[in-house]
Amino acid sequence: DAGVIQSPRHEVTEMGQEVTLRCKPISGHDYLFWYRQTMMRGLELLIYFNNNVPIDDSGMPEDRFSAKMPNASFSTLKIQPSEPRDSAVYFCAIQTAASYGYTFGSGTRLTVV
Amino acid sequence: ILNVEQSPQSLHVQEGDSTNFTCSFPSSNFYALHWYRWETAKSPEALFVMTLNGDEKKKGRISATLNTKEGYSYLYIKGSQPEDSATYLCAPRGGNQFYFGTGTSLTVIP
Repeated sequence: DAGVIQSPRHEVTEMGQEVTLRCKPISGHDYLFWYRQTMMRGLELLIYFNNNVPIDDSGMPEDRFSAKMPNASFSTLKIQPSEPRDSAVYFCAIQTAASYGYTFGSGTRLTVV
Repeated sequence: ILNVEQSPQSLHVQEGDSTNFTCSFPSSNFYALHWYRWETAKSPEALFVMTLNGDEKKKGRISATLNTKEGYSYLYIKGSQPEDSATYLCAPRGGNQFYFGTGTSLTVIP
């Protein structure tokens, strides 16, 4: 996906450790979204930014999750401390105001053991 | 928050069979609807963007219809092939936010 680069692709960590997921939009955008995908709950919106400002973080599961967007080219999703139930694929996606669709990153597969 | 339901949750069909699935959503505050095709370990791929009641879109063997008044969309696959195996997600839009169903998982058996 040329529009969004996520890193790392895979992350395995021990319960209690801090995890930082990264998203770098390559193409222009107005909105940036963080999603979490699990088999049980499907795709869930965690938080989204408009012009780097957090707009709606009601989907963030609890205080252990935080997200930042210091500039238009970078965003992070942090989990501290991590728990096994946080294991999922985390997607970053961007959208421009002029279009309807998203461009998704390839996702980060997080496993907390 | 839009309550999005997709059915069935999973589906197995024989190669060559035609199939269809349903996406149901509240008809109020509707703005647009996306269908995505999601293969395992890949990012969702956009199939269709639908905005108007009665819209019909087609891409090869895959087509979709939209009824915004009653709040549903159908996705059809004609002559299913093994490469069609994937999860098909619908994402209706309310305001500036998209909501995703949990998808229909399709397996096409050769």
